[in-house]
Amino acid sequence: ETGVTQSPTHLIKTRGQQVTLRCSSQSGHNTVSWYQQALGQGPQFIFQYYREEENGRGNFPPRFSGLQFPNYSSELNVNALELDDSALYLCASSEGTGGYEQYFGPGTRLTVT
Amino acid sequence: AQSVTQLDSHVSVSEGTPVLLRCNYSSSYSPSLFWYVQHPNKGLQLLLKYTSAATLVKGINGFEAEFKKSETSFHLTKPSAHMSDAAEYFCVVSGYAGNNRKLIWGLGTSLAVNP
Repeated sequence: ETGVTQSPTHLIKTRGQQVTLRCSSQSGHNTVSWYQQALGQGPQFIFQYYREEENGRGNFPPRFSGLQFPNYSSELNVNALELDDSALYLCASSEGTGGYEQYFGPGTRLTVT
Repeated sequence: AQSVTQLDSHVSVSEGTPVLLRCNYSSSYSPSLFWYVQHPNKGLQLLLKYTSAATLVKGINGFEAEFKKSETSFHLTKPSAHMSDAAEYFCVVSGYAGNNRKLIWGLGTSLAVNP
């Protein structure tokens, strides 16, 4: 069974640029959730995708957007990067929405300068 | 609304002594509860979960948690701490954001294990 993978592992961008982060879900999982974790903080829910549609969103502006593909992999896109977007971005997959346990990838460390 | 409170932001124990990380939750229905661990510069790993079966839940690495409805608690314990247990621990409850059910995260407890 393949676990959740994320790419890239590290990324450095300049303020105002755009970034795309990628996530492959665990085999058999149809739901992907994205989280932002600032240094020393807990994960903050960005949004969730279920069967290619957004299924809930946290308190993040529209410049954070996402996609889920037919194979249930997912992308997180962030436009007009700001310094405060520097964080660890975590992807988690699960068998369904709601109360299912989530399995996390190793994360992508984004640094905005 | 559902919420979760981790009562200690930092816990320090000596190697070989018991670990207790406290978590209280608020839920208007029977919740699902989880504990996750995050080692430095690593992703999150599921330690254990409660989903209305046995109230004493055993997880990985010798950890266990007991669901106590009367106390609305789900404390994480381990009989004997190892150095490798030093990490950040998150208590999580399933809840609703609008019409969508999602996981609600506590702020985390940092566990230090002293030799």
